Amino acid sequence: EIVVTQSPATLSVSPGERATLSCRASQSVGNNLAWYQQKPGQAPRLLISGTSTRATGVPARFSGSGSGTEFTLTISSLQSEDVGVYYCQQYKNWPPWTFGQGTKVEIK
Amino acid sequence: QVQLVQSGAEVKKPGASVKVSCKASGYTFIDFYIHWVRQAPGQGLEWMGWVNTNGGGTNFAQKFRGRVTMTRDTSISTAYMELSRLTYDDTAVYYCVRPDTSGWHYFEYWGQGTLVTVST
Repeated sequence: EIVVTQSPATLSVSPGERATLSCRASQSVGNNLAWYQQKPGQAPRLLISGTSTRATGVPARFSGSGSGTEFTLTISSLQSEDVGVYYCQQYKNWPPWTFGQGTKVEIK
Repeated sequence: QVQLVQSGAEVKKPGASVKVSCKASGYTFIDFYIHWVRQAPGQGLEWMGWVNTNGGGTNFAQKFRGRVTMTRDTSISTAYMELSRLTYDDTAVYYCVRPDTSGWHYFEYWGQGTLVTVST
């Protein structure tokens, strides 16, 4: 089973500033890495697939990068509506599909 | 548009079973598996298993084997997840999920979630 680890656990960023979230896999997943956003009280929503492809309707301020075992989600200019928990997920080796434990993004 | 609509919240006693439904619309039901993912209060996401909506085959995460059943009724485009021998640790929101259209197996569409509370 591939273990996925996210850091930091919590990220406090001022509005308009850059937020950088990290995700590490215990073995290479190629570019089979997705990011999900979960706002309080809501179901997760797909943000990015294939490491860097934004899902329909996702603002351009969200970008993904990386490959192999190290990945990054960047929010270039944090908006108030971006508050929530962000999860990465590998879909290279399954089952099981595995998620990171999440990074909580809050406004400073 | 693709929609997954789940059944309402449940309260169950320890040792009981719970069955959650997930009605799909906006696409051909049998063309995509349905997965189930759960989230305990304040915790992360945990994949539980999938059901092949066409043939009915299933695959479960190790920790749920022997305790979970996943079925579907193609006539009403609905998938079901039943979890038995509930314990307090099973208190969670349960999501049904449909994979992506392109076949890469990430989770593109999510139901709204069903809160299952295990309590005396």
